[in-house]
This record gives sequence, C-alpha cells and structure tokens, in this order.
Amino acid sequence: RKEVEQDPGPFNVPEGATVAFNCTYSNSASQSFFWYRQDCRKEPKLLMSVYSSGNEDGRFTAQLNRASQYISLLIRDSKLSDSATYLCVVPTTGFQKLVFGTGTRLLVSP
Amino acid sequence: DGGITQSPKYLFRKEGQNVTLSCEQNLNHDAMYWYRQDPGQGLRLIYYSQIVNDFQKGDIAEGYSVSREKKESFPLTVTSAQKNPTAFYLCASRGQGRVDQPQHFGDGTRLSIL
Repeated sequence: RKEVEQDPGPFNVPEGATVAFNCTYSNSASQSFFWYRQDCRKEPKLLMSVYSSGNEDGRFTAQLNRASQYISLLIRDSKLSDSATYLCVVPTTGFQKLVFGTGTRLLVSP
Repeated sequence: DGGITQSPKYLFRKEGQNVTLSCEQNLNHDAMYWYRQDPGQGLRLIYYSQIVNDFQKGDIAEGYSVSREKKESFPLTVTSAQKNPTAFYLCASRGQGRVDQPQHFGDGTRLSIL
C-alpha cells in the first residue's frame, strides 16, 4: 500500500452539491492529518488540520477512521471557487516530514 | 507581513549550469523544507532542515544541494547533475509549539531548461 493514496478524480459536481473525497494511509501510528487545497499553478494552502476523530469548519468537514486507515473530506453546498486540487497529507512517525498524496481534483460547474 | 518569500518566480537554466533558488521566512520557524512538483504529480521532498546548520536529504536529493547558515534562509541549488530540473519548486516552513503542526508554503519558483 502507498503511504498516502487518493483518487485523482476529477470529480465534476454542480454548484450546491455535496461531495466527499477519501484518502487512505499506510502508517497505522499516524495521529494527525492535514487537508491542503492547491489551485492551478499555485502553492498548496492549508485547509484543515485533523488531530482527533474529525474537524469541521463551515462547509468543510474532515473525518478520520483509524480502524480502516482513511480520512475523508466532505464539502457541502459546493461553490465555483471550491474548484481546486485537494491534497491529503500525513506526517511520518516522529513528525519530521509530511507525506503528500497526489491530490483529488474537484471541478464545480454552474 | 510575516511569511515565506521565494525568488525568483521564474528561472531558466542553461545546460551545465548551477542555479540557486532563494527561500526566506520571517516567521521565526525552525524547520524548513524544499519540495519539487511535476505536472499532475504530488509533492516530493528534496531536502529539509530542522535547525540552523543541519539538514537532511529527502526522497529525491540527488542533483540538489542546500545550506542553512541562518534561521530565516534555506537556499536550494539545482546542480548540473540534475538532468531533469524542469519543475515547480516549493519551499515550506513549520512553526513552533506542537510537533505535528502543518507546513506553510511560499508561492514557488518555476524552473525550466533553456
């Protein structure tokens, strides 16, 4: 199993839809996780940190399933501006490094 | 404003030339990182530094070199030994406090071969 694995998409959804992405990870000792958003030809920007079972910030909810070793990102009421690539990120043991997934591309259409 | 500054935004390298990418941060962060991103790919770690005067190789260090003489600066040199340098290079730093804090990125340097 890859250290961090994501479905590359793209996920094409209409405005107002709810969409969810999953990310699986191989290191069962991982305790914290991050979701970053990356716009085309731009740097990644932190969207959410997940330190326990989950986190919610407005329309965005991240959930962690330790037993199955996956984290999910749920976006409700999608906006056109949500179109981007969403990167799942897992620290290595000891937190010296982050391992980035290849990202899931989301396209929100009018 | 506090942040991470990368320069230049665009850089062109001639065959056999070494080029240096600058990364400066005024966030007082100890840890700094260099990543490479190829089109449609994820980020791959080149080098990282947890503290001044110390750095470690990442997953793809061959053909690259770094230095960390000052806390705020972590320049990356792409040497002539790197045969495929065309990519988007991202510098990041991580804050103090809890060890599992996320990294924050500069806005990147795009390197191409002439």
